[in-house]
Amino acid sequence: QVQLVQSGAEVKRPGASVMVSCKASGHTFPNSDITWVRQATGQGLEWMGWMNPKSGNTGYAQKFQGRLSMTRSTYTATAYMELTSLTSEDAGIYYCATIVGGRNDFDHWGQGTPVTVSS
Amino acid sequence: QTVVTQEPSFSVSPGGTVTLTCGLSSDSVSTRHYPSWYQQTPGQAPRPLIYSTNSRSSGVPDRFSGSILWNKAVLSITGAQAEDECEYYCVLYMGSGVWVFGGGTKVTVL
Repeated sequence: QVQLVQSGAEVKRPGASVMVSCKASGHTFPNSDITWVRQATGQGLEWMGWMNPKSGNTGYAQKFQGRLSMTRSTYTATAYMELTSLTSEDAGIYYCATIVGGRNDFDHWGQGTPVTVSS
Repeated sequence: QTVVTQEPSFSVSPGGTVTLTCGLSSDSVSTRHYPSWYQQTPGQAPRPLIYSTNSRSSGVPDRFSGSILWNKAVLSITGAQAEDECEYYCVLYMGSGVWVFGGGTKVTVL
């Protein structure tokens, strides 16, 4: 049973950075690409980017280029998402999910990590 | 900028059928976009419903079905139930490792 467990809620000041972790269990971590999706407060889902845990290759939505970074630790089967230069518009819930190769859909999701940005 | 369009809201009677669409602002949706659909209730993570246009995810009731009609991806709920009242999102794969979500459709069962 694949399970993704994310880190807890974060409160950040405007201009700060946030790092959210996503620990995988129940499958061979490097074999499934990981995607990050966010949901701004009261808004819809927004795709942020993807990472191949085996190679470390990444791809980011143009909107987040320059302030988004996805990394991983294959030793602990954990993916990380870091977003810098936070503004109030970055407040919301951040989800990680696995990507099914060849199907290009997101089949297992983390529980979500709330991020608050407030001065 | 690629925009994926969904109806903001839909109402359906219990036992009725509702058809939600997922379109592209400047292209036709096809199987090469690998349309997938997700259901989200308040406070919960999205739940996968449909992948690759018309395949149901594990455990999804057969009243949910997907297809491509009128150059759009379509999610149909046949025999809607009260628990189907929530938000539905489609996502399209644009190629080159880029996905785009639609804005979501809020379905009300009444």
